[in-house]
Amino acid sequence: DQQVKQNSPSLSVQEGRISILNCDYTNSMFDYFLWYKKYPAEGPTFLISISSIKDKNEDGRFTVFLNKSAKHLSLHIVPSQPGDSAVYFCAASALPGNQFYFGTGTSLTVIP
Amino acid sequence: NAGVTQTPKFRILKIGQSMTLQCTQDMNHNYMYWYRQDPGMGLKLIYYSVGAGITDKGEVPNGYNVSRSTTEDFPLRLELAAPSQTSVYFCASSRGGKETQYFGPGTRLLVL
Repeated sequence: DQQVKQNSPSLSVQEGRISILNCDYTNSMFDYFLWYKKYPAEGPTFLISISSIKDKNEDGRFTVFLNKSAKHLSLHIVPSQPGDSAVYFCAASALPGNQFYFGTGTSLTVIP
Repeated sequence: NAGVTQTPKFRILKIGQSMTLQCTQDMNHNYMYWYRQDPGMGLKLIYYSVGAGITDKGEVPNGYNVSRSTTEDFPLRLELAAPSQTSVYFCASSRGGKETQYFGPGTRLLVL
């Protein structure tokens, strides 16, 4: 049973515009969320995280929003750049466990 | 500082053969993880370790074994390879359970 879902397998955005990637989860015990970026033939690399005590976290062009009541988080990339083209995974973890549950990923293409 | 390294990069196995996927990290991280990623799917946790001598099962442990005799190494053993184990395997490490995970480049395994 997929506890973390990314319902959009792919997304295309023009360079300079905003990219919004979405992630939904079912487990209300999740308290820590991360976004990873993955290029082909490479391992995922950490992008940004958010704890359940916050509803927003920013790091440069990347902002993650968390809506706990809707069990939804989103990653905003502004402005989008061609180098952002990659697969983005969201992941979630619940106390007291050490496991992260990953979504199926969204492939972002930024068109120059 | 090499981070997380994995060998081999690619391997073809026949049904019933066995092999060990190697993973080494040089960041002195306590936590290490093995994931598999099937096409179009997210990463699924196979096994993880919170320190030398301590391992625990993840979501999909059947058909695999692990050991953690040192902080640096976390090999994954497939005893009787099956076509269902065709996948890309990622090793990761982190300082703690809620910390960012650093991933290796992956091992692509094909079981025929």
